[in-house]
Amino acid sequence: AQKITQTQPGMFVQEKEAVTLDCTYDTSDPSYGLFWYKQPSSGEMIFLIYQGSYDQQNATEGRYSLNFQKARKSANLVISASQLGDSAMYFCAMREGQIDTGRRALTFGSGTRLQVQP
Amino acid sequence: DGGITQSPKYLFRKEGQNVTLSCEQNLNHDAMYWYRQDPGQGLRLIYYSQIVNDFQKGDIAEGYSVSREKKESFPLTVTSAQKNPTAFYLCASLPSASGAGTEAFFGQGTRLTVV
Repeated sequence: AQKITQTQPGMFVQEKEAVTLDCTYDTSDPSYGLFWYKQPSSGEMIFLIYQGSYDQQNATEGRYSLNFQKARKSANLVISASQLGDSAMYFCAMREGQIDTGRRALTFGSGTRLQVQP
Repeated sequence: DGGITQSPKYLFRKEGQNVTLSCEQNLNHDAMYWYRQDPGQGLRLIYYSQIVNDFQKGDIAEGYSVSREKKESFPLTVTSAQKNPTAFYLCASLPSASGAGTEAFFGQGTRLTVV
């Protein structure tokens, strides 16, 4: 089964509007972390925001916020006031804290390509 | 500035050749990772190393090899046994003793094309 599912291959948003990128995950580990990365056309992975499984509040970082619904196993990224520079691929990823202690590797979804239109 | 450097940025390989992708970090991180990215897909783990002189296969290790002789360096060799090597390769690192919430740091990537 897919551990991270991103169901939106592509999204369009008007400049200055808010957009939500969906992410659902699957794990039996009680301790896990959820990450969002941005990948511009140049290819580097830029860390945006992190949410821990035990965090009581939704994470926020500037214009980025994470809508964490633990019971539904979803961790959607909300970008407020979109800018042209937000056009990129966005990846949701998870690290399991107890099951995967040996690797500590991130498991990625297939990504969402966001295009911000002027 | 601390970071991860991957080289070269672009690499072309002929059929049947082995090529080596470089990954160097000056972050003093113990753990290093190699991921492969294909168009429209997420990153898949090739190999990882938690400590010098030790490395483990990831999910798609066939046709690849690595070494970890120095803490700073984790080169990836794409061998002729890798049937479809054209992809974007990303190297990442992680501090030692990090928990589930520690972000991984990534290099700029190497785009490998078979010609």
